[in-house]
Amino acid sequence: LAKTTQPISMDSYEGQEVNITCSHNNIATNDYITWYQQFPSQGPRFIIQGYKTKVTNEVASLFIPADRKSSTLSLPRVSLSDTAVYYCLVGDRPGDSSYKLIFGSGTRLLVRP
Amino acid sequence: GAVVSQHPSRVICKSGTSVKIECRSLDFQATTMFWYRQFPKQSLMLMATSNEGSKATYEQGVEKDKFLINHASLTLSTLTVTSAHPEDSSFYICSARQQGSGNTIYFGEGSWLTVV
Repeated sequence: LAKTTQPISMDSYEGQEVNITCSHNNIATNDYITWYQQFPSQGPRFIIQGYKTKVTNEVASLFIPADRKSSTLSLPRVSLSDTAVYYCLVGDRPGDSSYKLIFGSGTRLLVRP
Repeated sequence: GAVVSQHPSRVICKSGTSVKIECRSLDFQATTMFWYRQFPKQSLMLMATSNEGSKATYEQGVEKDKFLINHASLTLSTLTVTSAHPEDSSFYICSARQQGSGNTIYFGEGSWLTVV
């Protein structure tokens, strides 16, 4: 499983766009990139998943360059409630029976008023 | 999204006793469930993968005789912490893979275990 590296923490202000970059230099051809959000004393919540280029949903966008050695989670116009830990995970074929999620250290995002 | 429920959300037990935590997929079938442990301010650590109808696969360093996992049906997996000690106090989280629909993995709300 590819190892991921993220900034330990980030600060932002309400209304700003936040971009969290994750490095995964050893990503394999079959690996997908998935981001989760976790609030204190809660289980992680799925945010977005992608394989290449750009993926967008109602919550965030995920940018993946051509070499796929990194990815950037973009949160538009954050609010105080976006304060949480964000995890970037890399794993092969979500539909594969051997697929499992291994969490790295995550990024603690603090959104200030 | 799909719902995964854990019970109890909080439990306190005495040292030496055993405690069981349940993980249920409420609106989908899950052939595979995962159990994690998380200490305060730390990331989630995968303990084991639970497959319906077969023995769980434990990660390296996790004692299978201490953390008993049973996945008896497509909607229920249980984690039993046997002979609990204070160092077993932690936040335990389960997740379940939804068959089809991209095989997304959904997480439960977590269960706080305190061993006194």
